[in-house]
Amino acid sequence: KAGVTQTPRYLIKTRGQQVTLSCSPISGHRSVSWYQQTPGQGLQFLFEYFSETQRNKGNFPGRFSGRQFSNSRSEMNVSTLELGDSALYLCASSLGTGLNEQFFGPGTRLTVL
Amino acid sequence: QKEVEQNSGPLSVPEGAIASLNCTYSDRGSQSFFWYRQYSGKSPELIMSIYSNGDKEDGRFTAQLNKASQYVSLLIRDSQPSDSATYLCAVNIYNTDKLIFGTGTRLQVFP
Repeated sequence: KAGVTQTPRYLIKTRGQQVTLSCSPISGHRSVSWYQQTPGQGLQFLFEYFSETQRNKGNFPGRFSGRQFSNSRSEMNVSTLELGDSALYLCASSLGTGLNEQFFGPGTRLTVL
Repeated sequence: QKEVEQNSGPLSVPEGAIASLNCTYSDRGSQSFFWYRQYSGKSPELIMSIYSNGDKEDGRFTAQLNKASQYVSLLIRDSQPSDSATYLCAVNIYNTDKLIFGTGTRLQVFP
C-alpha cells in the first residue's frame, strides 16, 4: 500500500501571500489530520477532517483552514502568511474510527520570507 | 501543566544497552497512546501503539502503560546507533483523532 503523500515538499513564500498544501491519505483511510511542527512549539494539532467534515480543530487563527474531498484527499490553506508560519506541515491519515493509529506523510517545509 | 510531558534529553546510552523513555499525560480520559520515532529532517514514524494497562512488546521495543499513574514508557532493548532519533509520545483524546504530542526525547546511542 502506498503511504501518505504530500505536495509540494518545499515552499518559499513572502509575508502576506497565501499557500495551499495538499495531502493524499493511505488508500481506505477516511481521516486526515494536519499538524504544524516548529523547533519551539513541537508538533501542534491544526485540524482533522473525516468524510469531508472538519471534526476537530486546534488553537490556530482563522488564517489556517482546510477541506477534504470525497476521495479523502485534503488541502490546507494559510492566508496572509506571517514569518512565524514557517514550519514543517505534516498530514497524517487514519481509518478515522477513533483510537486509530495515524501515519504521517513526509511533510511540506514552508519558509516565509 | 502541559498535556503530555517528556524529558527533552538527550538520553545517552551505549550500544547494546536498554534505553528507557518516559511520558506522562494529564487527561484521564485518554484512551490510546503512541510512540513515534523522528529522525532529523524526517517525519514521525509510528513504532508502537498501546491501549490497555500493562506491557506490549514488538521486537526490541516494549511499551508500558499505567493509566492510574497516567504514565506511558518505551523500552528499547539492545540499543543500536541507528536508534538515535527523537522519540515522540502522543496521546489520543477520547473518541477523536486528535493527537496531543509531547516535545520529544532525543536519544543518542553511542558505539
